[in-house]
Amino acid sequence: GAGVSQTPSNKVTEKGKYVELRCDPISGHTALYWYRQSLGQGPEFLIYFQGTGAADDSGLPNDRFFAVRPEGSVSTLKIQRTERGDSAVYLCASSATGSSNEKLFFGSGTQLSVL
Amino acid sequence: ILNVEQSPQSLHVQEGDSTNFTCSFPSSNFYALHWYRWETAKSPEALFVMTLNGDEKKKGRISATLNTKEGYSYLYIKGSQPEDSATYLCAFVQGGKLIFGQGTELSVKP
Repeated sequence: GAGVSQTPSNKVTEKGKYVELRCDPISGHTALYWYRQSLGQGPEFLIYFQGTGAADDSGLPNDRFFAVRPEGSVSTLKIQRTERGDSAVYLCASSATGSSNEKLFFGSGTQLSVL
Repeated sequence: ILNVEQSPQSLHVQEGDSTNFTCSFPSSNFYALHWYRWETAKSPEALFVMTLNGDEKKKGRISATLNTKEGYSYLYIKGSQPEDSATYLCAFVQGGKLIFGQGTELSVKP
């Protein structure tokens, strides 16, 4: 596609529910990143995919968070048993190869609100 | 994960003022330093990717410098305009991923 697309743009859910957030990266980009931004903070790294595999998932806060990228393009971030502290903007980004001198292309984010 | 610090946290300037802010990062194992601009209701957008000590980059009225030995980068905006109002994020590359600072929120009043 023309840019990185994230859906939904807003998600309101109740504490304890399961949510899925989707990211459609730029076509052909092998590297895909998930970040989370809370109010007043910079984006916090969650997970990085190179192709279909998670190259680094060290930022996932606990085992309620899981992400997949089964065909090396679209990725889904899954959050089980949501908590109020999970409320944040979830950003997805992609880059062509994942090289450190490549800029990232970001989506517009999913605003998750857990009531 | 090592820290990336940005200062100031927020800045309010008048249209036409020039301004600058700082990004501090670990000086060891340097790969690259990124700058992004994030306007409200939009996606973060890359400004610069800097890789070499002494690098200077320029894009219109915005420029950046890099000192990898002492671990800092400056972003300069000359003649600020209201459309420059945004949060400016720097990010340090560590282990193949970007570690972001908390950002500098710039507000330019007409």
